Order: sequence, then C-alpha cells, then structure tokens
Amino acid sequence: GDSVTQTKGPVTLSEGTSLTVNCSYETKQYPTLFWYVQYPGEGPQLLFKVPKANEKGSNRGFEATYDKGTTSFHLQKASVQESDSAVYYCVLGGSGGSNAKLTFGKGTKLSVKS
Amino acid sequence: GPKVLQIPSHQIIDMGQMVTLNCDPVSNHLYFYWYKQILGQQMEFLVNFYNGKVMEKSKLFKDQFSVERPDGSYFTLKIQPTALEDSAVYFCASSFNYEQYFGPGTRLTVL
Repeated sequence: GDSVTQTKGPVTLSEGTSLTVNCSYETKQYPTLFWYVQYPGEGPQLLFKVPKANEKGSNRGFEATYDKGTTSFHLQKASVQESDSAVYYCVLGGSGGSNAKLTFGKGTKLSVKS
Repeated sequence: GPKVLQIPSHQIIDMGQMVTLNCDPVSNHLYFYWYKQILGQQMEFLVNFYNGKVMEKSKLFKDQFSVERPDGSYFTLKIQPTALEDSAVYFCASSFNYEQYFGPGTRLTVL
C-alpha cells in the first residue's frame, strides 16, 4: 500500500535559519502530494499541494518540488520564524485532485527559538 | 477560513460502552472523512463518505464502527462496543474538491 516517510523530529532551529524536512513516498498510483501543518489544539490545515510531477508548490515562504524520479517531496524554507513552530505532515493523496483518502507521514515537530 | 467543528473535544468511557463522535462539516462540502491518530503515531484514514454511502474504508474501520449523516446534520462515527485499542484522537474532515478541512479532533479515552 501507499506510505510516506519523513524526517523524524523534533527539529529545533533558531529564527532566521533554513529548514529542510525530508519526505519520501511509495505508491503505485499517480498521486497528488501535499504538505499540511498542524498547530496545537487544531486539526491539520493545508499548506500547499502539488498535483503533478516535476512541479513546485509554495506558500508562506515554504516550498517543495514533486520529484517523481526520486519519489521525494522535501519541504524547505530559507528563513524560519518563531510563528512557524508547528507539526508538518507530508501527505499523499489521490490522483488528479480527487477526494480519495490521504496517507500521512508521521509528522515533524518544528520548534523555532527567537 | 472554513471551519469543521467536532463535539465533544474529549470523551472518557468504559470499555464495552457505545460512543458517538459528532462532526459538523463545512456547509457546502460533499465528502466526509474520519481519521484516527494514536498518541505518538501517524494519522491514519478510517473511512470516507459521499452521497449517503461509505466510499472507501481501511482495515482499521472494524465491524464495530459505523458512520452516517442523517438529513444533512452531523456526520457521526459510532463505535459499539468500544475496546481499549480505540483510545485515540479522531479527526473529522470534509471537502468539496481536493482540499480536506480538518476539525480539531475528539480525544477518546477507553478505560
């Protein structure tokens, strides 16, 4: 079945430093890939999605490229802020933006210190 | 943005009892989902629901589980009877297209 593996947390960074959260996936389909973010006491919320291979998604300074060759979807941000502290999930969804189930990675907890 | 509400936020029950978890989805959404997250583990899909029917369910969706959305009201997950391994946070989600909106979760503790 489908699976997602991502950087094991927690990750602690100082404000202004760069972030990379590695994500790799396994599937036999042509998935849409997502990054979701979860703040304390809330459910996960969509950060951005990329439906097609070799395309890049971005939002709020975060970005990731859907690399079908290496089956990876690493999350990056050049300069993190304290408000970025949250849990980040790499997520695999159905093809073509369908309403299929989501397969979550285990999540990476990020703490940013000022 | 659109909000999904879940009631209650916490529920503690004795093993063998029945429990119903309630989800108030975004008003114009057509697809509904339940996910389960055991403490320290990843979130896992349970079931999705569209047009009054279960579309897909995982192996975690045991025979003791059922879902319904009577007359467009709450989308519910019922567990009858509960077991110790049902202790987890249950997240409801709804969608209109690709983006699933999640509620804050219901923490279920089975004693």
